[in-house]
Amino acid sequence: DIEMTQSPSSLSASVGDRVSITCRASQSISSYLNWYQQKPGKAPKLLMYAASSLQSGVPSRFSGGGSGTDFTLTISSVQPEDFATYYCQESYSAPPGTFGQGTKLVIK
Amino acid sequence: QVRLQESGPGLVKPSETLSLTCTVSGGSISNGDFYWGWVRQPPERGLEWVGIIYYRGLTYYSPSLKSRVTMSVDTSKNQFSLKLSSVTAADTAVYYCTRRAYSSGLIDYWGRGTLVTVSS
Repeated sequence: DIEMTQSPSSLSASVGDRVSITCRASQSISSYLNWYQQKPGKAPKLLMYAASSLQSGVPSRFSGGGSGTDFTLTISSVQPEDFATYYCQESYSAPPGTFGQGTKLVIK
Repeated sequence: QVRLQESGPGLVKPSETLSLTCTVSGGSISNGDFYWGWVRQPPERGLEWVGIIYYRGLTYYSPSLKSRVTMSVDTSKNQFSLKLSSVTAADTAVYYCTRRAYSSGLIDYWGRGTLVTVSS
């Protein structure tokens, strides 16, 4: 099975900061990497798919990159509504595709 | 707009079977472009796949849960279901039903989630 490792597990930032979250796969997954945002008490929401494609309706301050084993989710200027937990998910292997353990973005 | 709605008991006794149903509206469960699945989240923990099912009945289950999981689909009702047997407190979680794209693997729709507590 493919393992997905996110870093850091927790990240503190101020409004307006640029932040990046890393997701590493235990083997190459090409660009089959998706990112989700989850706020407390809510279902996750798709942010990015295929590593770098922005889901419709998601603000352009979110961007994604990488291929193979190393991927990054970047928020160019953190807004108050961005404080949440972020998960990566690989969809290269047999369905359904493993999640990372999550990265919690908190207010500094 | 596709909507997914979980239903089922919120409390299950240890050793019994957890049963949940997801009703899909705004789209057909027979759409061959998608899998339908369950993701769970224990309190204060991360996301974990339980399993997915294709409308023709093909299933993929989490290896760690495979011996206890059964999923089914009812195309006439536009619903799919989950049964998890021999539950323990470790199965206490919010259970989300999801729609997963067949080719890309992204999950574009989630239900609101239902908390299932395993307790006597």
